[in-house]
Amino acid sequence: ETGVTQSPTHLIKTRGQQVTLRCSSQSGHNTVSWYQQALGQGPQFIFQYYREEENGRGNFPPRFSGLQFPNYSSELNVNALELDDSALYLCASSLELRKETQYFGPGTRLLVL
Amino acid sequence: SQQGEEDPQALSIQEGENATMNCSYKTSINNLQWYRQNSGRGLVHLILIRSNEREKHSGRLRVTLDTSKKSSSLLITASRAADTASYFCATASNQAGTALIFGKGTTLSVSS
Repeated sequence: ETGVTQSPTHLIKTRGQQVTLRCSSQSGHNTVSWYQQALGQGPQFIFQYYREEENGRGNFPPRFSGLQFPNYSSELNVNALELDDSALYLCASSLELRKETQYFGPGTRLLVL
Repeated sequence: SQQGEEDPQALSIQEGENATMNCSYKTSINNLQWYRQNSGRGLVHLILIRSNEREKHSGRLRVTLDTSKKSSSLLITASRAADTASYFCATASNQAGTALIFGKGTTLSVSS
């Protein structure tokens, strides 16, 4: 167990709806990254937050947005859901912006119908 | 976009055999990491090798890195049924930010 938790574990939404996924970082970690993993693929980087500021973003549209709170927990929001948004969403925490090990949560599996 | 490409995509072996997975990447890196994922759950960090290292060991794991060929290999010795999982290589670039870029993974099946 990494100490990173995510909620909910599973979620079913319909196309056009909005969803919020939550992540609680490992104790002491102030950096959180979000990844999308489609079935049979490797995780793809969505964005990263460091001390409540977005620190980098992958190739995802603006309807994917995020927040990091003072306690370093984080949210991923997706608006106007599309069928292709169905995936496992992983958050990972790390210490300071080091290019080192990231500690992953168990993920939230989102199904868009 | 995916940076790394693992090879093979799938590997089936018997318990006790060794498993070798390869990874190729495209851009310069700060380090390369290997992660394991069981049944679509979270990823577990296995080992990190820095760009100035050529080989690293951790228990039954051996990782090599050839930056001139932009490739890495992961060797699992004396495999066990519990090693059945998907294995991903991930690179951290020298550019700003610490996002990891993952390959598509190798699915390893170890039968007893």
